[in-house]
Amino acid sequence: ETGVTQSPTHLIKTRGQQVTLRCSSQSGHNTVSWYQQALGQGPQFIFQYYREEENGRGNFPPRFSGLQFPNYSSELNVNALELDDSALYLCASSREREGSPLHFGNGTRLTVT
Amino acid sequence: EDQVTQSPEALRLQEGESSSLNCSYTVSGLRGLFWYRQDPGKGPEFLFTLYSAGEEKEKERLKATLTKKESFLHITAPKPEDSATYLCAVQSQGGSEKLVFGKGTKLTVNP
Repeated sequence: ETGVTQSPTHLIKTRGQQVTLRCSSQSGHNTVSWYQQALGQGPQFIFQYYREEENGRGNFPPRFSGLQFPNYSSELNVNALELDDSALYLCASSREREGSPLHFGNGTRLTVT
Repeated sequence: EDQVTQSPEALRLQEGESSSLNCSYTVSGLRGLFWYRQDPGKGPEFLFTLYSAGEEKEKERLKATLTKKESFLHITAPKPEDSATYLCAVQSQGGSEKLVFGKGTKLTVNP
């Protein structure tokens, strides 16, 4: 069973640029979520996708957007990058919408200079 | 608003010295409480889900318990390879699928 994979592993961008992060869900999982983890903090919920539609959003501005594709892979897009966007971005997938544990990838470390 | 507080922030143990990590939570109807382990530079690794007060789950040297206001992760006779950050998260009823995480407890087990 293939786990959740994310790319790239590391990324350095300049303030004001745009970035796209990618995620392949674990086999058999149809729900994908994205989380932001700042250094020394727990992950914070950005949004979740189920059947290619956004199914819940945390307290993040509209410049954070996402997509889920028919094969359940996903993208996180961030426009107009700010220094505070520097963090570990985690993708997680689950088998069902409710109550199932999330299985995380190893994340993309984004540094904004 | 759902909240999770974990204590202590950091814990140092000698190999074989048992202890417990605490996760206090407030949530508007608990759907599930989740424990994860996170190693440096890695994503969180799922350990347990607890759904109702009184429930307990075990895995090797770890045992998780749940009350209406808190959860404990008991570590029995820990080994150096148990060193990691342990994260607690809650999911509430009422439509939102998100997990609300605590800041974690960084556990170091010395040989």
